[in-house]
Amino acid sequence: QQQVKQSPQSLIVQKGGISIINCAYENTAFDYFPWYQQFPGKGPALLIAIRPDVSEKKEGRFTISFNKSAKQFSLHIMDSQPGDSATYFCAAGSGTYKYIFGTGTRLKVLA
Amino acid sequence: EPEVTQTPSHQVTQMGQEVILRCVPISNHLYFYWYRQILGQKVEFLVSFYNNEISEKSEIFDDQFSVERPDGSNFTLKIRSTKLEDSAMYFCASSQGRGQVAKLFFGSGTQLSVL
Repeated sequence: QQQVKQSPQSLIVQKGGISIINCAYENTAFDYFPWYQQFPGKGPALLIAIRPDVSEKKEGRFTISFNKSAKQFSLHIMDSQPGDSATYFCAAGSGTYKYIFGTGTRLKVLA
Repeated sequence: EPEVTQTPSHQVTQMGQEVILRCVPISNHLYFYWYRQILGQKVEFLVSFYNNEISEKSEIFDDQFSVERPDGSNFTLKIRSTKLEDSAMYFCASSQGRGQVAKLFFGSGTQLSVL
């Protein structure tokens, strides 16, 4: 019940394309869904987050879509750039910040 | 922008030895955390700390692990007798508060290698 399943494991996108990463959770007690971006040798950095009372949140080129009934959420990166190449983790939490992280998606954006 | 700082960036130790990983959380933050990431795997929660006591811990955080806030700025993770499987990147994190609007900030990590 505590798992967060993330797919795909790796993703290659052309510059300017759309990158889509999907996550699914099981525990309905989760009420906070952040996405983290991690560059090699660095710690995860918060990218964008959503609460379950909204179905979509957009910040610049990054959009989270949230489907509460399906217990799924996804990250869309519009106009993907080579600088977006990183590992992306979805996570789920319930106020205590004992985040459950997904297994990560390694994104490579080709120039 | 304020950041969480961790030292050392790399630590190599022999199996059975004690290690202390150090972190300086963001100054006005109240909640502190340790996570770890085994190479190529997901980030895993270890422990959360608030008001000078552990508020939550995972099954990974057994009796070999302890945390301490020895002064007003540092937050440490001690592994009493390291095992080979403790080799991982350890991340410290902090947040200003709990609740849906608080954000978790991670440090750059300490890569622990147990030989």
